[in-house]
Amino acid sequence: GAVVSQHPSRVICKSGTSVKIECRSLDFQATTMFWYRQFPKKSLMLMATSNEGSKATYEQGVEKDKFLINHASLTLSTLTVTSAHPEDSSFYICSAKPRRELRNEQFFGPGTRLTVL
Amino acid sequence: GQNIDQPTEMTATEGAIVQINCTYQTSGFNGLFWYQQHAGEAPTFLSYNVLDGLEEKGRFSSFLSRSKGYSYLLLKELQMKDSASYLCAVRGEKAGSYQLTFGKGTKLSVIP
Repeated sequence: GAVVSQHPSRVICKSGTSVKIECRSLDFQATTMFWYRQFPKKSLMLMATSNEGSKATYEQGVEKDKFLINHASLTLSTLTVTSAHPEDSSFYICSAKPRRELRNEQFFGPGTRLTVL
Repeated sequence: GQNIDQPTEMTATEGAIVQINCTYQTSGFNGLFWYQQHAGEAPTFLSYNVLDGLEEKGRFSSFLSRSKGYSYLLLKELQMKDSASYLCAVRGEKAGSYQLTFGKGTKLSVIP
């Protein structure tokens, strides 16, 4: 099956520091990757859509200078939370869409729980 | 814009059948997904409907009526491990877009 990994799974950082989260498709090529944020007891909110080799498309209200996305290859996308603040504490989940059509499905990574002190 | 509604919580008994409803109002429609999410974990795919009707897969079935903007997920022979949140998601406005908009999820509690 299609597997997506995220690293790290959990990170705690001090306010003002930057944190990088990696999302990898392990056994398929992903032309498109999505980054979501989920607050406790809330649904997934799409932050941005990342296409390999091009700039990410951010959803309204998401600061592109704060959440830097790089999709350098067909198997890797990174999200960097710059100058993190406590309100950025959340569960960040990526998903990847295979290059080949597969029930129009996105495959989700296991998520990264970010805690900013 | 997109608006997706589903009940916040439901409780059902082990061995029973439960139906989780989802209604949506979107400016375009290119498919509806159901995902299961256990607490602290990422969502896992359950079903995909793009045409009207019922899709059955083991203990799980999903129904779609595009004219009514309505879907439901049916879980049969409930097991304790089915306790999770169930997310209804609609695929983007444009045929070439793969973006999903998620509902807030229905937290299902299965009791003995």
